[in-house]
Amino acid sequence: QVQLVESGGGVVQPEKSLRLSCAASGFIFSTYGMHWVRQAPGKGLEWVAVISHDGTNKYYVDSVKGRFTISRDNSKNTLFLEMNSLRLEDTAVYYCAKDFSSGSGRLDYWGQGTLVTVSS
Amino acid sequence: DIQMTQSPSSLSASVGDSVTITCRASQSISSYLNWFQHKPGRAPKLLIYSTSSLQSGVPSRFRGSGSGTDFTLTISSLQPEDFATYYCQQSYSTRSLSFGGGTKVEIK
Repeated sequence: QVQLVESGGGVVQPEKSLRLSCAASGFIFSTYGMHWVRQAPGKGLEWVAVISHDGTNKYYVDSVKGRFTISRDNSKNTLFLEMNSLRLEDTAVYYCAKDFSSGSGRLDYWGQGTLVTVSS
Repeated sequence: DIQMTQSPSSLSASVGDSVTITCRASQSISSYLNWFQHKPGRAPKLLIYSTSSLQSGVPSRFRGSGSGTDFTLTISSLQPEDFATYYCQQSYSTRSLSFGGGTKVEIK
């Protein structure tokens, strides 16, 4: 069955960096687009970024453009989110999610999330 | 960017009740509308895609409808496991997805 397991969260100071990982199994990782979605404390879901199945196309929400980078290693079935210049408002649970195809926008499987806390 | 607005933000209902959640898009999104269920500490779960198609394994008491800018999620005969927060999400703009603010369904 499809499994997505996020890791790499933790407490980090403002302006520092953190890299999240998402280990995928149970499907052919290299044929599906992948997303990151976050949920700040007490808030709703916010889409963060998407990467195509082969890594050639990447798109981001405006608030993270230039600071976050989504990438993937299809040989290791792993999705990444490199987060730089972190801000207090980036504090959230970060979920990785599988796309139904390479870019349908239908997120059919999600991980349990990893918590990122930005605090001085 | 497409803004998604859900209402109500919360509601109280009893087991067996029927509830309806509405979602409005800031522009036409055709039928590219999905619904998710989210429980605290759990992974969000896709319930309905493309406005009205039931994701595999989802009970038939969940029904979606609408088109263009206005959509609804109806849960008939609410069950104890249905108490959760529900989100709509547009997939019309695949380079910039967006979610509604959520509707928390609580036990009366």
